[in-house]
Amino acid sequence: GENVEQHPSTLSVQEGDSAVIKCTYSDSASNYFPWYKQELGKGPQLIIDIRSNVGEKKDQRIAVTLNKTAKHFSLHITETQPEDSAVYFCADRRDIILGNEKLTFGTGTRLTIIP
Amino acid sequence: DGGITQSPKYLFRKEGQNVTLSCEQNLNHDAMYWYRQDPGQGLRLIYYSQIVNDFQKGDIAEGYSVSREKKESFPLTVTSAQKNPTAFYLCASSSRGGGTEAFFGQGTRLTVV
Repeated sequence: GENVEQHPSTLSVQEGDSAVIKCTYSDSASNYFPWYKQELGKGPQLIIDIRSNVGEKKDQRIAVTLNKTAKHFSLHITETQPEDSAVYFCADRRDIILGNEKLTFGTGTRLTIIP
Repeated sequence: DGGITQSPKYLFRKEGQNVTLSCEQNLNHDAMYWYRQDPGQGLRLIYYSQIVNDFQKGDIAEGYSVSREKKESFPLTVTSAQKNPTAFYLCASSSRGGGTEAFFGQGTRLTVV
């Protein structure tokens, strides 16, 4: 992608409540949107991803929604737990064989779950 | 076990010296990436390679160099021309196309002393 904006930069949520992180992208050719979770001192790990032909995807307490028209996608975490505390990154990528496939990341959201 | 390995985990360098960070993957991935992460900031792309013997500059390539002589290896050299090299460096790899996951290494923390 070209540019990915992510909001908010920090988020504190009471344990058990929901958390929502939003991203917007500028590259209209982007068609793959992953979300990564990074714990302190470690590399990011994929938690969920979505392709452009799907509007919503859910995996237990985590869901991602995509609005291609508006060029934004969101991460939803329900029933938050202390182990959800981490930095979360959104990203986008255009998957074109022999084309420009670089993965562009947002600036990250530090999520803190308050016990 | 399949995965992506970065070494070393911590690296100290004197000003004016070049240093090479290692990244090896046994996932048979064609694409590999190097990112730089500064405290409280996102991941900025340094270089990426979609196939052996080919690589492209990312957003912050100045002061860095890479090579891709083998599919499984994508070393990054931080040269003396890089003005602020102290950072956390992350390597990633993925298959090409099809919306496949990018796997990250555990990172190398480089400190210039």
